Amino acid sequence: NAGVTQTPKFRVLKTGQSMTLLCAQDMNHEYMYWYRQDPGMGLRLIHYSVGEGTTAKGEVPDGYNVSRLKKQNFLLGLESAAPSQTSVYFCASRDPGGNQPQHFGDGTRLSIL
Amino acid sequence: GQNIDQPTEMTATEGAIVQINCTYQTSGFNGLFWYQQHAGEAPTFLSYNVLDGLEEKGRFSSFLSRSKGYSYLLLKELQMKDSASYLCAALSNSGYALNFGKGTSLLVTP
Repeated sequence: NAGVTQTPKFRVLKTGQSMTLLCAQDMNHEYMYWYRQDPGMGLRLIHYSVGEGTTAKGEVPDGYNVSRLKKQNFLLGLESAAPSQTSVYFCASRDPGGNQPQHFGDGTRLSIL
Repeated sequence: GQNIDQPTEMTATEGAIVQINCTYQTSGFNGLFWYQQHAGEAPTFLSYNVLDGLEEKGRFSSFLSRSKGYSYLLLKELQMKDSASYLCAALSNSGYALNFGKGTSLLVTP
């Protein structure tokens, strides 16, 4: 019962490098999300998707791109990494319906030097 | 997003009761969630409220007042393992995403 799986778990990048974080869920959820969590800032929504082929901007989308080509996968891309993007990134998924909770992955710790 | 306010830190004694408050903007309210997050781990779902009143789940209860834009999480018979961050989150106007508060770090002491 995997739930939401994020890869990689840890990564160190140099400023200007690019990378993609992968999120996969096996619960057949329609909605998927990418958050970042920084000390004292709480969880902030980067982008989200309400179905295969759709994406939308959240609270802090600048510097990130996303794609949802398959229902079970939601990819977060950093085209040119900056030190300000050093953070812990969480992916989440849920079913539609107001009372449906979000299920989170274990997070990706990303450091940009 | 919605402004969600909760205290930054709280300390309580093992075996005691603690109440963690959360206030939110009432316009476009669609429901309120509480999550628990231990250090270095993912948030896990605790409770959901959309109607006024108290929802009880074992040692944890959550209360909502829609007219006041106010919720609280009540933890009874505190255990050391309850030391964690507690996140209040309101479902956005669109119903798609959760907007999280900054979390309340609870320390349970012997």
